[in-house]
Formats: sequence, structure tokens, C-alpha cells
Amino acid sequence: NAGVTQTPKFHILKIGQSMTLQCTQDMNHNYMYWYRQDPGMGLKLIYYSVGAGITDKGEVPNGYNVSRSTTEDFPLRLELAAPSQTSVYFCASSQGLPTGELFFGEGSRLTVL
Amino acid sequence: RKEVEQDPGPFNVPEGATVAFNCTYSNSASQSFFWYRQDCRKEPKLLMSVYSSGNEDGRFTAQLNRASQYISLLIRDSKLSDSATYLCVVIHFRGYQKVTFGTGTKLQVIP
Repeated sequence: NAGVTQTPKFHILKIGQSMTLQCTQDMNHNYMYWYRQDPGMGLKLIYYSVGAGITDKGEVPNGYNVSRSTTEDFPLRLELAAPSQTSVYFCASSQGLPTGELFFGEGSRLTVL
Repeated sequence: RKEVEQDPGPFNVPEGATVAFNCTYSNSASQSFFWYRQDCRKEPKLLMSVYSSGNEDGRFTAQLNRASQYISLLIRDSKLSDSATYLCVVIHFRGYQKVTFGTGTKLQVIP
């Protein structure tokens, strides 16, 4: 019953460093999403993928990159971390039609100092 | 106009009260609708899917009004454990699945 698994759960990064947030799902879902959520705010879409090898930008993609080499994995890379990237990052997956329900990971809490 | 709009609240209600949230959406071609619940600093979790015929799950009732383009969530007999942020989610399929979240309505149930 793993669902969507995110690692790490917590991380502190120094300004200018890079890191990758991992996301894996075991439900064979085609759609995968990365969101960020700042304190007291709503979810903002960073990147999404409609299947292996296909990714596209969301509303806040700057400073991030993604890849989707397999159906299961959708890592999010932060390049040259900045304090503005301090946030909680959620990965989600969805089967798509007919219902579209999203399943979320538990989140990765990232602090950039 | 935002694609999905919710009253941010907070809604402060006493235990046992009935509370209702609305969410409006702008794209009339939207096809799937959900209510998610998000506890503080946790991931959103599916509360209910929303259908035109209305659906009920215990104390929770969700309704979709396509003509007026809004969805609603009714919570009866509020419990302290219902305190959370409720997110409206609208999905539109057009070659790919476009998911739009509302910013959420915060509910605080008071003893």
C-alpha cells in the first residue's frame, strides 16, 4: 500500500546548492505532478508529466527541473537553491480518465538558508 | 476571474453546527470535481468526489451545480476533528488532464 512516496521528508540546503527531491508511485499512473505550498498559501504547480518521457511546465517552474524516464519516478531537481524555494513540496499522481483523482505523497519540507 | 474560487474563511463554528462551503469554477467544460481535506502541514487527502446527482458520506454532502458552475460541501454535526482546510478541485480533460485547485477554505470547529 505504498502509493506515492517522497524522499527526503525534511532537508536543509545552503544557498547555491542543488538537490533532487524524489517521488515514486506504484499505481502505474500516467500523470504525475509537483506542487509547492508556502505557509498559509495554496498549492502551486511547478511541473507535471502526462507519461514517461513527457513533461511540461506549471505556473512556477523557474529554478526547477524534472525528468520522467519511467512511469514510476518523477524527480524534481532544484538548481542553485535560493531562500525563496523554502517551502513544502508535494508530489501527486493520477490515473487520469475517467475520474482524475489525485493521490499525494506526504511532502518534502525544504529549508534554504 | 480565477479558474477556481473559494472563500478562504476562516469559518469558526461551534461543535454540532452545520456549515457549508461553496466553490465556483470558470470553465464550463470541466468534467471532474472533488473536495480534498488538508490538515496543517500535511498532504491533501481526498474527502469526496462530487457528482451532479449529489453524494453523501456520513455527515458530509457534496453537490455539483453545472448550470451555475459551483460545487458545494455541507458538513452536518461538526466535530472538533473536522477542523482543517477544505480544497476544491476541478479537472478538465483536453488532450491532457488539467487540474486546478482552489486556495482552500479554513474551518475551525470550536468546543
